[in-house]
Amino acid sequence: QKEVEQNSGPLSVPEGAIASLNCTYSDRGSQSFFWYRQYSGKSPELIMSIYSNGDKEDGRFTAQLNKASQYVSLLIRDSQPSDSATYLCAVNRQRYSTLTFGKGTMLLVSP
Amino acid sequence: DVKVTQSSRYLVKRTGEKVFLECVQDMDHENMFWYRQDPGLGLRLIYFSYDVKMKEKGDIPEGYSVSREKKERFSLILESASTNQTSMYLCASSFGAGRNIQYFGAGTRLSVL
Repeated sequence: QKEVEQNSGPLSVPEGAIASLNCTYSDRGSQSFFWYRQYSGKSPELIMSIYSNGDKEDGRFTAQLNKASQYVSLLIRDSQPSDSATYLCAVNRQRYSTLTFGKGTMLLVSP
Repeated sequence: DVKVTQSSRYLVKRTGEKVFLECVQDMDHENMFWYRQDPGLGLRLIYFSYDVKMKEKGDIPEGYSVSREKKERFSLILESASTNQTSMYLCASSFGAGRNIQYFGAGTRLSVL
């Protein structure tokens, strides 16, 4: 079973700080990597996708991928209380178009 | 705009009942997925479909079946509901080729009493 590992948290940061979320994966053949945000009682929503080594920035969010080390991270700059949610890391499987999800890291941003 | 619609937000059923969860997408996606999400266990794939009338087992298919008669609709069936199937059920869809981004419906919280 290919796995995706995340710290469950909670990760607590003050408003305005940088939040750093990490994810490691076991399948070296994975090519697509995603970060989803999930508010309590809601469904996951995509916030970032990354396919190549390096950094990808979108507003306050930066995804970082290192395939050699098999890790992907998400940085959230200028964290806001509205960023408080569980962040799910997802990695594609070789089989069809399925994804393996990590169990998520809960982020708490305090005012 | 991307739209995946699940027929019910909340359902309460009795043990032994046959339960149907419906999912419809309007994005002409080839792939559709059913997950369940439980505290501490994360998102687990039950079944998926990559084409009309095609289905593949995911990681936890026991106790479930699926139906995909039309491209836009994917149904999850609990043949005889049990209390351990109480969970949040999430439907998702994606294009068949390319970068595999999955879009989720709002979810159905099912309670089996």
